[in-house]
Amino acid sequence: AQSVAQPEDQVNVAEGNPLTVKCTYSVSGNPYLFWYVQYPNRGLQFLLKYITGDNLVKGSYGFEAEFNKSQTSFHLKKPSALVSDSALYFCAVRPYSSASKIIFGSGTRLSIRP
Amino acid sequence: DTEVTQTPKHLVMGMTNKKSLKCEQHMGHRAMYWYKQKAKKPPELMFVYSYEKLSINESVPSRFSPECPNSSLLNLHLHALQPEDSALYLCASSRGTSGQETQYFGPGTRLLVL
Repeated sequence: AQSVAQPEDQVNVAEGNPLTVKCTYSVSGNPYLFWYVQYPNRGLQFLLKYITGDNLVKGSYGFEAEFNKSQTSFHLKKPSALVSDSALYFCAVRPYSSASKIIFGSGTRLSIRP
Repeated sequence: DTEVTQTPKHLVMGMTNKKSLKCEQHMGHRAMYWYKQKAKKPPELMFVYSYEKLSINESVPSRFSPECPNSSLLNLHLHALQPEDSALYLCASSRGTSGQETQYFGPGTRLLVL
């Protein structure tokens, strides 16, 4: 079965510290991987995606993610967290075999304390 | 411009009412989607339109009826809804339905069924 796992419901980080939000996936074939962020009462905003090529992908608002094929992971990172980064983060995968569908992880709530 | 607009922002309806949700994009995207999102959960795919034709219906009850009048507009007609249908309804669009295409989401319509 194809799936995406975000093992942490919540991540707490102090402002200025680096942050990591974890994501692992299980799909057949080559995956297309995405990160979205959702602020309260808002839609999802696209952050970044991995299609092919360089394993380190840079995205919006200073976020980046590293694709690791051997560990089937696509963790989201930021070197220095801001209070405004506090939101709900979703990892997602679009399997090559059923490209119309996108499979979302359960979401991780990121809380940055001043 | 990566904007998807949705109206109304909020909607309260009774179980016997008929209402419609509207979604619009002017990015020239040929794929449009409806999702349902419950609080603190990932979005769940409902419908996919590709080139104005319904390509995926995720076994959604017939009280939800999608319509794609043209390539820029997507409607969701609601009739005889149940209280458990209360949720955030998100529209999204992408250039095509291939896996590498990014889906861009609107801000959503928050629906309350009484």
